[in-house]
Amino acid sequence: DAKTTQPTSMDCAEGRAANLPCNHSTISGNEYVYWYRQIHSQGPQYIIHGLKNNETNEMASLIITEDRKSSTLILPHATLRDTAVYYCIVRPRSQGTYKYIFGTGTRLKVLA
Amino acid sequence: GAGVSQTPSNKVTEKGKYVELRCDPISGHTALYWYRQSLGQGPEFLIYFQGTGAADDSGLPNDRFFAVRPEGSVSTLKIQRTERGDSAVYLCASSLTSRGTSGRADTGELFFGEGSRLTVL
Repeated sequence: DAKTTQPTSMDCAEGRAANLPCNHSTISGNEYVYWYRQIHSQGPQYIIHGLKNNETNEMASLIITEDRKSSTLILPHATLRDTAVYYCIVRPRSQGTYKYIFGTGTRLKVLA
Repeated sequence: GAGVSQTPSNKVTEKGKYVELRCDPISGHTALYWYRQSLGQGPEFLIYFQGTGAADDSGLPNDRFFAVRPEGSVSTLKIQRTERGDSAVYLCASSLTSRGTSGRADTGELFFGEGSRLTVL
């Protein structure tokens, strides 16, 4: 299974863009990059995913490098409610199993 | 409610006791997952069901842990002879599809419950 590396923590000023990096240098061609976040005392929440093209939805944008070895999650206008742990996950696809392996994630703190 | 429901939300037990944690997935979701999360760590995969059968139980730490999903909906995680090290938040998730499809239809999104916090004294 491909592994991911993320910074342990980051701060971001409220209203600014939060850019959360993730390294997944061993990703294989049919593996997706997923991002989830976990607000304190809640279960993880899906944010976005992609294969090789950049993706955008109402929550965030996902930028994947051309070699697919890294990606960046962008929260365009961070709010205090975006304070959470953000997990970058490469999802293995083996015999139809969607087993997500979570790392320790990036603890994002949005500052007023 | 429309989300994944887990009960109890909190469970305190004594070392050596038996515990059951229940997960009620989103209606129609065929895949169900159990994770365990210790303080300061990311969720750790335990087991995954596709329908009634355990498709992957490679994350169960030992034979004290067992999970069932007899009718392909509600699942119960069972822990025998609990130990202090079993203390954690146990998360359940469900998803609409578990089998890969080519193209855009495959979202793979997991919907998590709020978790059951287990404390073993």
